[in-house]
Amino acid sequence: LAKTTQPISMDSYEGQEVNITCSHNNIATNDYITWYQQFPSQGPRFIIQGYKTKVTNEVASLFIPADRKSSTLSLPRVSLSDTAVYYCLVGPASGTYKYIFGTGTRLKVLA
Amino acid sequence: DAGVIQSPRHEVTEMGQEVTLRCKPISGHDYLFWYRQTMMRGLELLIYFNNNVPIDDSGMPEDRFSAKMPNASFSTLKIQPSEPRDSAVYFCASRAKGSGNTIYFGEGSWLTVV
Repeated sequence: LAKTTQPISMDSYEGQEVNITCSHNNIATNDYITWYQQFPSQGPRFIIQGYKTKVTNEVASLFIPADRKSSTLSLPRVSLSDTAVYYCLVGPASGTYKYIFGTGTRLKVLA
Repeated sequence: DAGVIQSPRHEVTEMGQEVTLRCKPISGHDYLFWYRQTMMRGLELLIYFNNNVPIDDSGMPEDRFSAKMPNASFSTLKIQPSEPRDSAVYFCASRAKGSGNTIYFGEGSWLTVV
């Protein structure tokens, strides 16, 4: 079970690019890296998932180095509405697996 | 396409009362998870099911907690008797086989035990 470590909190200003890094030193060969976003009073929501290199969608980019022991979620040009808690989750993409979320990173976007 | 549906959204109950939280997963999803979230402990996995069968309930805090999944479209989390320390947001989530680590969460049931 890959344990993840993220910064507890980050502040940013509107329009800036935000990078949140997650460490997962004991990631297994068949593990994927998935990021979730949680707004107050809502359940977490899937943002992006990747295995290696770079993945991009309409919301974010995910950078994964060759050794896969860390990953970086990149949010381009954040707005106030991106203020949320961001969770990094590591686990196999198939099979029975218990998804355990870490403490997450509380991002606050300032005007 | 309806997401994960939970009820009730909010519940206030007195200590000692039985509480039943309900969840309807997304149709076709074969994994169902129950989480509890508090400021102090974060998001905790309580139990999860695969094809209606409980796989791991090691996160269930005490015997006062029980969960069932009688069919693929319905699950309950029951607390009996409830205590003030059970006050939390309880999330239900589901996942489809072959969807990677994409878990879909409901909006949560906000429980307050007084």
